[in-house]
Amino acid sequence: GAVVSQHPSRVICKSGTSVKIECRSLDFQATTMFWYRQFPKQSLMLMATSNEGSKATYEQGVEKDKFLINHASLTLSTLTVTSAHPEDSSFYICSATGGAAYNEQFFGPGTRLTVL
Amino acid sequence: QKEVEQDPGPLSVPEGAIVSLNCTYSNSAFQYFMWYRQYSRKGPELLMYTYSSGNKEDGRFTAQVDKSSKYISLFIRDSQPSDSATYLCAMSEDMTGGGADGLTFGKGTHLIIQP
Repeated sequence: GAVVSQHPSRVICKSGTSVKIECRSLDFQATTMFWYRQFPKQSLMLMATSNEGSKATYEQGVEKDKFLINHASLTLSTLTVTSAHPEDSSFYICSATGGAAYNEQFFGPGTRLTVL
Repeated sequence: QKEVEQDPGPLSVPEGAIVSLNCTYSNSAFQYFMWYRQYSRKGPELLMYTYSSGNKEDGRFTAQVDKSSKYISLFIRDSQPSDSATYLCAMSEDMTGGGADGLTFGKGTHLIIQP
């Protein structure tokens, strides 16, 4: 199957700082990327949908000014958590779809964010 | 009421047993149903998908969908310790598959296969 990577796999930051998470499709062109958040013992919750070259579409309750998403190329999307606070600590997972992989979302390994 | 309900477990069974995992949902617009397996601190990996009521089999895994009851199941035969993981059901309103829209996930069931 198609491969999606995320970087970093784990990040610890101080409250008030910004953190950028990268999501890359390694062997296919991802026309659409999704960002999910998963709290402990909770389901993955869709945060936003990102189409290459367009503004991201955010789910209800997700602050677009806090979670900045950029999908500037067909292989890279970034999620920037601005002015992070401890309640933003979570597992952030991206998925990608596109090209021959149009009907399935391939998930990255996730990024564990801890805000102190 | 949440859109997708799934018992988080843990569900512990002996090796070789048949495992039954289930989800119920409330949104009748869901057309595409998936089962993912997730190991600790890893991203989910797709196990099976189906878009119609009935059964679909793949090796030791069988996915079952009952749209009239809004109920889906995943059966694992001859369970192995390596099957120990969290199993998440996921659904989409997208009729072409799970690629166009974000997915709605259940909480996941933590499965433990005892050697």
